[in-house]
Amino acid sequence: GESVGLHLPTLSVQEGDNSIINCAYSNSASDYFIWYKQESGKGPQFIIDIRSNMDKRQGQRVTVLLNKTVKHLSLQIAATQPGDSAVYFCAETLQGAQKLVFGQGTRLTINP
Amino acid sequence: GAVVSQHPSWVICKSGTSVKIECRSLDFQATTMFWYRQFPKQSLMLMATSNEGSKATYEQGVEKDKFLINHASLTLSTLTVTSAHPEDSSFYICSASGGTSGGLNTQYFGPGTRLTVL
Repeated sequence: GESVGLHLPTLSVQEGDNSIINCAYSNSASDYFIWYKQESGKGPQFIIDIRSNMDKRQGQRVTVLLNKTVKHLSLQIAATQPGDSAVYFCAETLQGAQKLVFGQGTRLTINP
Repeated sequence: GAVVSQHPSWVICKSGTSVKIECRSLDFQATTMFWYRQFPKQSLMLMATSNEGSKATYEQGVEKDKFLINHASLTLSTLTVTSAHPEDSSFYICSASGGTSGGLNTQYFGPGTRLTVL
């Protein structure tokens, strides 16, 4: 079934530093991946996506890296700001499929 | 663009009553809507997938008679929790896909509805 975590891994970084959030996905056939940001009490917010024919994609202050060999996805946030504090989820799917499978999430905390 | 709203944002009800949650895509037509529930400090668990005009497809372990889903238009889906019990207390989140922005399969999420059953 979908991923269920008993606890959330936590990453603490200093304001202004770069953050790297990692995700191990489960299905080697997955070919489309999305990172979402969820602030407390709110729904997930789309950050960036990547297709399996790419290994890197950059957005504004964010970069997603995909390593299909080891089924690993990472989200890099440059110059982390207090507003980046949230839980970050990776999600995987097959292009053309409807369902997303979410990872367990990582809580990012920014230290002033 | 691609804004999804939910109503209500929070609801408290008595055990045994039914609660309806609405999910609307405000600026695009959502051919597919999804309903998730999320327990504290956990990930999102997909409950069901709803295509406009069709019966919803429920995930294994989700009772379709308890969680009634209606997707009668391209901008509105509703989730009704029937005969709610305290264990149904959770954060319910809908998402919608079908917008023109974003990539394939991109789901745009609503703000969530906090349900507390007393």
